[in-house]
Order: sequence, then C-alpha cells, then structure tokens
Amino acid sequence: QLVLTQSPSASASLGASVKLTCTLSSGHSSYAIAWHQQQPEKGPRYLMKLNSDGSHSKGDGIPDRFSGSSSGAERYLTISSLQSEDEADYYCQTWGTGIRVFGTGTKVTVL
Amino acid sequence: EVQLVESGGGLVQPGGSLRLSCAASGFTFSSYWMSWVRQAPGKGLEWVANIKQDGSEKYYVDSVKGRFTISRDNAKNSLYLQMNSLRAEDTAVYYCARERGSVAGTGGWFDPWGQGTLVTVSS
Repeated sequence: QLVLTQSPSASASLGASVKLTCTLSSGHSSYAIAWHQQQPEKGPRYLMKLNSDGSHSKGDGIPDRFSGSSSGAERYLTISSLQSEDEADYYCQTWGTGIRVFGTGTKVTVL
Repeated sequence: EVQLVESGGGLVQPGGSLRLSCAASGFTFSSYWMSWVRQAPGKGLEWVANIKQDGSEKYYVDSVKGRFTISRDNAKNSLYLQMNSLRAEDTAVYYCARERGSVAGTGGWFDPWGQGTLVTVSS
C-alpha cells in the first residue's frame, strides 16, 4: 500500500533553516513526490516535484530558499532563511496508476 | 495566467446532491488530467477523484465510489463533480487541481490549485 509518513510539526527561529521529512512506504522507495505548501486560510500551492535521485523542479515563483533532496525512501524539503510567511502546513504527495496519495502534513512554526 | 475557479459549493442536507464546477483558463485544458481534492475542517488533504484528458479513464477514492461522478467538458474548459447521497463526512473545502506528469499526457502531481469551494452537509 502506497503511504506517505510525515511528522506532525516542526519549528525553527526566524532566519534559521528547517528540514521536513516525508517517508515512502516499503516497496515504494523509487517514487517521486511533490511538496505543497498551505498557508493559513489559503488553498495549497505547489512547491516542487522531487525525484528519488534528489533532482527537483520547482514551481513558478518559488524562492531559492526552498530546496529538496532524497535518501532511500525519504524525501526532504529544506527551507532556509525562514521567513514569517513560511509558517504553514506542508504536504508531500505521490501518485500511481489510479491513485493519488497525500501525507498527513507537517505544520511549520516560525519562532 | 493559469487559473482554476471552483463554484457550486453550499449547504446541503444528508442524502442530498450537489454539483461542483471548475472553470479553467490560461492553458490547454484538454491536454491535462484533472483532479478534485478535498479538505475537511481542521484536517489534511484528501484526493477524491481524477479524470483523463478525454474522459476515458476516471478514478475515485474508495469512500466516494458509487456516490460521486467526475466529468469534464473540454469545449467549455470545465471540470465537474456530481456528488450524490452526501454524508456529514463529505463536509470539506473541495479544490480543483490540474495534474502534471513526468511524461507528456500523464498525470501525477497537482499544479496549480484552485481556491476551493466549501461544501457543508448538515441538517
């Protein structure tokens, strides 16, 4: 079964960095994922597509502060130089034939 | 500018029906898979259904199979979700999203998203 696991919360100080993790279920470690950001009271926004080799392609207008990397079944989103507007929920998402799957989301708090 | 605008949400009684619409602009609608994704109050994102470019393939999350129907009208650049036999647990903001794929013509990830329309199922 295709499942994505995310930690419920993360926090870091303004100007610091935070690294979020999304783990693919057993047998699916080669899958690509996408990261989406949802700011409070807003709709989701696509951040990037992240491949198993760590290569990624970002959406239009996504700042360089957002980067992705991979290791085995884990996919990471790193936000550098945290800004107040980065306080949001972050969801990873993957796909297969006839199915689209979201992780449970990580709430990022900027201290 | 690529834009997706949902409409049709509202308050409906349990067992009732509602039809959501999504108007697409700024891209060649007929070239993309399209999806509906929902978010219950205070909860995470849940994929609901998607449809291939020509409507020949449709997929649904198990919880809506037999109750919801996704469709599209490429001439009108519009996506629809017919929701029947609605339950309290269908209460959510429903988002329309364009799918992009690693290979031309395939789907996968969502980019962009609409602003959402709220569906409330309550007596």
